[in-house]
Amino acid sequence: SQQGEEDPQALSIQEGENATMNCSYKTSINNLQWYRQNSGRGLVHLILIRSNEREKHSGRLRVTLDTSKKSSSLLITASRAADTASYFCASLNQAGTALIFGKGTTLSVSS
Amino acid sequence: GAVVSQHPSRVICKSGTSVKIECRSLDFQATTMFWYRQFPKQSLMLMATSNEGSKATYEQGVEKDKFLINHASLTLSTLTVTSAHPEDSSFYICSADPGRGATSTDTQYFGPGTRLTVL
Repeated sequence: SQQGEEDPQALSIQEGENATMNCSYKTSINNLQWYRQNSGRGLVHLILIRSNEREKHSGRLRVTLDTSKKSSSLLITASRAADTASYFCASLNQAGTALIFGKGTTLSVSS
Repeated sequence: GAVVSQHPSRVICKSGTSVKIECRSLDFQATTMFWYRQFPKQSLMLMATSNEGSKATYEQGVEKDKFLINHASLTLSTLTVTSAHPEDSSFYICSADPGRGATSTDTQYFGPGTRLTVL
């Protein structure tokens, strides 16, 4: 079964607005990762946050992690049309051998 | 940065035929590679873990005789969809783990995917 569950499933915003996506997971994690996928393409690693971290920044991306609630959020600030893509959270499976992905959030940014 | 390629990027085949998809790590060695399947508007589902020099580990519900995986070298894993049927039509994505032991590293590198259409 999927490790992570994202919400919302779809998000439509205007350029310049912020986009927030949430992810919940089921088991204990060492880290949680966020990936981006443009339509019909492979995945691009965005950011990794470790279980002992609460917040991490990378450019316009801000990720938070709440291990007590088993949840994470990805914030994209000042969104651009080029941010239009699907975003997935992922963490290692229970065996610690493979990444398991959430259902993803499809973000549409209109200009 | 680390690059993973897949070939072909797109393939159309007739029902009943077999299709081989290659996944290569171009600038690093990968003791472990992973194969995922993604249906339209859905997430990636892990199919199997491919280990160099040993048998692949398949996820529950994935038929190992239908999805043959070979990881013959540290830079190449292949997925062969045997006797393909229309329901096998999907986007297949591989990822490679640079590897620092038996378990996955923190970051995997993904290929661009292969779109399989079975008529």
